[in-house]
Amino acid sequence: ILNVEQSPQSLHVQEGDSTNFTCSFPSSNFYALHWYRWETAKSPEALFVMTLNGDEKKKGRISATLNTKEGYSYLYIKGSQPEDSATYLCAFRSGYSTLTFGKGTMLLVSP
Amino acid sequence: SAVISQKPSRDICQRGTSLTIQCQVDSQVTMMFWYRQQPGQSLTLIATANQGSEATYESGFVIDKFPISRPNLTFSTLTVSNMSPEDSSIYLCSVDGTGGTGELFFGEGSRLTVL
Repeated sequence: ILNVEQSPQSLHVQEGDSTNFTCSFPSSNFYALHWYRWETAKSPEALFVMTLNGDEKKKGRISATLNTKEGYSYLYIKGSQPEDSATYLCAFRSGYSTLTFGKGTMLLVSP
Repeated sequence: SAVISQKPSRDICQRGTSLTIQCQVDSQVTMMFWYRQQPGQSLTLIATANQGSEATYESGFVIDKFPISRPNLTFSTLTVSNMSPEDSSIYLCSVDGTGGTGELFFGEGSRLTVL
């Protein structure tokens, strides 16, 4: 059974704050690491798919880094806005498996 | 990208009954995936629905409890049979994105509450 851990479980920040979350995953047989944003009553939406150690991806104010050797990824949000409020999911795929999701980090950004 | 429509979006069900969730995709896809998220838990894959063959179930999920149909390349159903309160979850269908990126596209989910 593959173990994907996300921390913190939840986070409450003020508008304008920058924040980051962690996803840890098995460091062996790495294939890909996904980040999704899931807003209430909407579909989960893919943010990033990362495959290379040291990779860094950016979409607007959101960026992510990947360390496959030590088995972690960070998601950063710069200058959080209320519309960033959502649950952020990471998911790990090994060479042999389907995606395994973490429990997510629930972010609430207050105006 | 893919646009996925799921229904019902939510329902309240009585213990012992069954409910079928429908998933419609706006393009033809080989595989459709059914996930479940129980309260406080992670998204967990129930099964992969392939057109023209039986669904492939993950460990801990069985066909009698979660029968799946896949009559064509754009449509699938998941039935939750003989429901108990432990089946209260969000059920999501998803498909692989095109272009080989591996990202998943999801429906908006079906939130089931079993009393």
